[in-house]
Amino acid sequence: EIVLTQSPITMAASPGEKVTITCRASSSVSYMYWYQQKSGASSKLWIYDTSKLASGVPDRFSGSGSGTSYSLTISSVETEDAATYYCQQWSSTLTFGSGTKLEIK
Amino acid sequence: QVQLKESGPGLVQASETLSLTCTVSGFSLTSYHVSWVRQPPGKGLEWMGRIRSGGSTDYNSALKSRLSISRDTSKSQVLLKMNSLQTEDTAIYYCTRSGLGANYFDYWGQGVMVTVSS
Repeated sequence: EIVLTQSPITMAASPGEKVTITCRASSSVSYMYWYQQKSGASSKLWIYDTSKLASGVPDRFSGSGSGTSYSLTISSVETEDAATYYCQQWSSTLTFGSGTKLEIK
Repeated sequence: QVQLKESGPGLVQASETLSLTCTVSGFSLTSYHVSWVRQPPGKGLEWMGRIRSGGSTDYNSALKSRLSISRDTSKSQVLLKMNSLQTEDTAIYYCTRSGLGANYFDYWGQGVMVTVSS
């Protein structure tokens, strides 16, 4: 099973700051997927195929990476971005990262 | 529009069997895969298994011995059964959709909270 390790586990950012969330895989994966989950709600697809934004996702979000290292970046964070972000791979048995909780100061 | 809705008992006794239903609309079960994903309170996401558009199934090896996923295409329903429940199975259970060749979930249900009581 491929283990996905996200960092940081929690973070706080001020509006306008640049934010990067990292997801490291225990073995190489072909693509990475990202979901946004707001408190009390189900998850939403946010980024697919490593760098493609899901429908409706603001273009201040971007995804990148390859092999065992992937990242989600917000160029200028806004208050509505407060959420937990999960990475996911399906190169072998599907696994999720443990999540990164983003708080806005 | 695409919708998935989970239903089932909110409370189950330990050692008993959990039965959940995912009722879908806006797409056909013969054209998309449907997975079950669960989330214990305050914790992360765990993929449980899926039923493919063709009707075959894949399971998380950690749950395979206890889990069964089936479907009734005439009712647009996907069924989950998991036996020998323990308190650690307390979680929100979600059904999700993935497209053919797509290794991600583009739609999620609202989830159903299941508490396993000892």
